[in-house]
Amino acid sequence: GENVEQHPSTLSVQEGDSAVIKCTYSDSASNYFPWYKQELGKGPQLIIDIRSNVGEKKDQRIAVTLNKTAKHFSLHITETQPEDSAVYFCAASMVPDSSYKLIFGSGTRLLVRP
Amino acid sequence: DTGVSQNPRHKITKRGQNVTFRCDPISEHNRLYWYRQTLGQGPEFLTYFQNEAQLEKSRLLSDRFSAERPKGSFSTLEIQRTEQGDSAMYLCASSLAEGWPQHFGDGTRLSIL
Repeated sequence: GENVEQHPSTLSVQEGDSAVIKCTYSDSASNYFPWYKQELGKGPQLIIDIRSNVGEKKDQRIAVTLNKTAKHFSLHITETQPEDSAVYFCAASMVPDSSYKLIFGSGTRLLVRP
Repeated sequence: DTGVSQNPRHKITKRGQNVTFRCDPISEHNRLYWYRQTLGQGPEFLTYFQNEAQLEKSRLLSDRFSAERPKGSFSTLEIQRTEQGDSAMYLCASSLAEGWPQHFGDGTRLSIL
């Protein structure tokens, strides 16, 4: 089945710097890749997603890139702020799998130092 | 749009007891998913519903687990004869239709004494 690996497991950056989190997936049939932010005691919150027919997507300070050939995708956060501190999860959805169930990476704990 | 609502937020029970969790999806979302998240890990898929039909169950869902979604609205997840290994956060997500983004609730944290 699909397997998603995520790196790094922890990331500490200075406020204002950029943060990059990388994920690789194993099943070339996957075509939907969302990113979630999870704060303590809360459920995962969708922050951005990308489909395999697009190489890059941007939303204000957040961007995601996808390399289908290498089977990896990355989350880029620019001008980081303390409120960006959280655990970030990447996920992949297998196709053709009508369930669209999400296979998650193991998470990256991001700490933005003021 | 009130978001996905899960109750209770926390449940503490003794080993061997039965527990039931409830999930209210976003209005008009016809897909509902259950995931389980253990400490330091990403969520793992358990099962999903298309309206009232349960269409897939993960092998993680032993016969002690049962889920329902009567009338295609709210869903319940029941665990019978709880074990220590059932301690986790149980997350519910809903999506408008197949292939649409999934939105999660804040989960029910289950602790087994």
